[in-house]
This record gives sequence, C-alpha cells and structure tokens, in this order.
Amino acid sequence: DVKVTQSSRYLVKRTGEKVFLECVQDMDHENMFWYRQDPGLGLRLIYFSYDVKMKEKGDIPEGYSVSREKKERFSLILESASTNQTSMYLCATRATEAFFGQGTRLTVV
Amino acid sequence: AQSVSQHNHHVILSEAASLELGCNYSYGGTVNLFWYVQYPGQHLQLLLKYFSGDPLVKGIKGFEAEFIKSKFSFNLRKPSVQWSDTAEYFCAVTSSSGSARQLTFGSGTQLTVLP
Repeated sequence: DVKVTQSSRYLVKRTGEKVFLECVQDMDHENMFWYRQDPGLGLRLIYFSYDVKMKEKGDIPEGYSVSREKKERFSLILESASTNQTSMYLCATRATEAFFGQGTRLTVV
Repeated sequence: AQSVSQHNHHVILSEAASLELGCNYSYGGTVNLFWYVQYPGQHLQLLLKYFSGDPLVKGIKGFEAEFIKSKFSFNLRKPSVQWSDTAEYFCAVTSSSGSARQLTFGSGTQLTVLP
C-alpha cells in the first residue's frame, strides 16, 4: 500500500510564525500536491510539484511556498502564519488515482 | 486554468432513494475524471475514475458515473443509497497528458442519508 505521511495531525501556531508542514511518500510518485480543505470550499490547490526542485503554483499560492529537495518529500511553508490560514492541509501524490495523507489541522492564533 | 463545479452543496435522502450528484468541469483538452469520497473521520479515497472508453464507469459500493463530453459533465449516480453512504463527495479533474498535471477538485457535496 502506498503511504503518504504528514508530520503532524494537529498544530497550533502563533500569528507571524514560520510554519513547516512535511509530507513524505513511500512510493516513487513524481507528482505531489498540497491542498487546503475548508467547509463549503472543497479542496483548493496551493502548490504542486512534478519532479525534484520543480514546483507549480496552484489556485491559492499566496502566503505559501514549497520545497521539494528529494522525490519522496514535499514541504509546505507558511512564511508568516496568519489566522486566515487556519485550515485542514492535505498532501497527496499522483494526479491519477491520488493518495492522500491523513491531514494536518493547523490553527493559527 | 481548469475548474470543477459541483452544484449540490448538501443533499439529504432517505435510505433506498436514488442519488445523482452533478459535476461539470471546464478544460479544453482531454481529461481524466474522478469521484472521491470522504467518510466521517477518514481519508479521501477514490470512488471511481474515467480515463477513456466507455463513458459509463462503475466504481465501488454500487456507484457509477457517466461522462458526457458535450456537456462537460461527469455526474455520480447510485440507484439505492444506504445510511453508510453518508459522506462528502468530491469530483476532480486532471489533464490526461504532460508531467505537470494539476489535479483540481470541486467544492464537494455533503450527502446525508436518513435511516
């Protein structure tokens, strides 16, 4: 079974902090994605990557950046956390039949 | 940019009722289409997918979806729902070629099935 592991289930951070969300996959999938999930808005794509060091902006990249130094790891960075970034963050791999991590519920206070 | 619209935000049905959830996408090229389901407290999981061929695709748990290219639609159906189908359903689309495939989801439909 493909495993997509996100480093934290729950995270509480203060406004202005730099926040790192980590995602690791154990298969050799090229594509990796970061989404945020909010009630009534579904999953909105923040960034995606199709290879090491390659990244593409999704629909809502503002306030976020990403890093992919190794194929198995895709990190989402909140440069300066704000309260409107309180959300559930989901990592996924592979564009066809995506596999999802368990999600990180981030609260910014 | 591709986008996905799901018209129903919340659907409430009684057990044994028939279900149809609407999904429309906007993308000019050839697409792959998906329905994902998220049961309460669980991961998103794939329900069914369409890549090519027969436009009527069957998925798990008795669900099916029909791809109508002329209408840019991929509606999800089930003849008789069960209480255990209560979940949130997401339609998704990705382009069928290229390495930089963006996987885009709709806003989701919460289905509540009353016993």
